[in-house]
Amino acid sequence: GAVVSQHPSRVICKSGTSVKIECRSLDFQATTMFWYRQFPKQSLMLMATSNEGSKATYEQGVEKDKFLINHASLTLSTLTVTSAHPEDSSFYICSAARTGRFSEAFFGQGTRLTVV
Amino acid sequence: GNSVTQMEGPVTLSEEAFLTINCTYTATGYPSLFWYVQYPGEGLQLLLKATKADDKGSNKGFEATYRKETTSFHLEKGSVQVSDSAVYFCALSDDTGGFKTIFGAGTRLFVKA
Repeated sequence: GAVVSQHPSRVICKSGTSVKIECRSLDFQATTMFWYRQFPKQSLMLMATSNEGSKATYEQGVEKDKFLINHASLTLSTLTVTSAHPEDSSFYICSAARTGRFSEAFFGQGTRLTVV
Repeated sequence: GNSVTQMEGPVTLSEEAFLTINCTYTATGYPSLFWYVQYPGEGLQLLLKATKADDKGSNKGFEATYRKETTSFHLEKGSVQVSDSAVYFCALSDDTGGFKTIFGAGTRLFVKA
């Protein structure tokens, strides 16, 4: 199957700082990537859809100025959590859509963010 | 819009018991259906999938059949092991949403020795 790499896998940051999470499709080009958030013992909730070369589409209730998404190339999308607060602590997972004959979305390993 | 409903947990079973986790979906298009597993402290792993009606996905003894008539994709395993203890997510994805994945709430499974 296709590989999606997410980095870092864990990060601890201080309140007020910004954190960048990278999502890379290693062996295919992804015009669309997705960012999800998972609170402890809950399901994954879609935060935003990232399209290469255009602005991301955010789900209702997600602050676009707090969660900055950049999809600068067909293999890389980044999520920046700006001015992080403890309530932003969560598990963030990306997925990349591979289109074509066997279209499917592939998930990264996830990033556990802890804001102290 | 698309949605996935799966049975609430936790589900507690003894080793070698039969497992069923129910999942139903609502979709406007023709979705692919998935079961993902998440072990404690880890990311998602794709367990199995089915891309069209009547397809059966299977992996590691788990099976699920895509039932369009009942809009269901129930997960089954004939004999669970302690190592199967995890959270299981039913999910769907279709091209109308650009392949974004919609997840069910997740079902936590505990298997006792």
